[in-house]
Amino acid sequence: AQSVTQLDSQVPVFEEAPVELRCNYSSSVSVYLFWYVQYPNQGLQLLLKYLSGSTLVKGINGFEAEFNKSQTSFHLRKPSVHISDTAEYFCAVSEPQSGYALNFGKGTSLLVTP
Amino acid sequence: DSGVTQTPKHLITATGQRVTLRCSPRSGDLSVYWYQQSLDQGLQFLIQYYNGEERAKGNILERFSAQQFPDLHSELNLSSLELGDSALYFCASSVALDRGPYGYTFGSGTRLTVV
Repeated sequence: AQSVTQLDSQVPVFEEAPVELRCNYSSSVSVYLFWYVQYPNQGLQLLLKYLSGSTLVKGINGFEAEFNKSQTSFHLRKPSVHISDTAEYFCAVSEPQSGYALNFGKGTSLLVTP
Repeated sequence: DSGVTQTPKHLITATGQRVTLRCSPRSGDLSVYWYQQSLDQGLQFLIQYYNGEERAKGNILERFSAQQFPDLHSELNLSSLELGDSALYFCASSVALDRGPYGYTFGSGTRLTVV
């Protein structure tokens, strides 16, 4: 089964600074990749997904991610963060063999301070 | 409101007890997934149902079981509860089995506390 590694458990950043949250996945012939965000005491919200096609994926709230097959990475980026971006971010992979169930990374806690 | 309804939102129960968590999928969605989020294990896939049939199994304990009813709502049954079962349990739904990669919608979860 596919697995996902989120390389940073916590990322502190100042408001209006750029941020990158790193995600690596185990290699496979076909892979579907996702980033979800979880705000405090809330459920999971889809930020963006890569299924096929363009390797640069744009999502909601100004986030984007780049699929890099050679590096088996799917890093999430935002050029300028806001206080309201403070949340837990999860990278996930799914495959048809498991009914498209999501296999999540451990999560990265993004803390944006003034 | 995501359209996926989970009840109850909070549940406190004692060790050894049995509880049932309920999930109503988004209108028109046939596939339901259950996930557990705990501090120790992170977010883990438990089980998937599609149109009443079990389709995929993850790290679900033998003490746990689930089913999906003809009206497509699903229930997750947790028995002989242990302290370590304390977690946030999420349900997610998608329109069809092969639409899974297009992302699915999560409910807001049921927070289970075992004391």
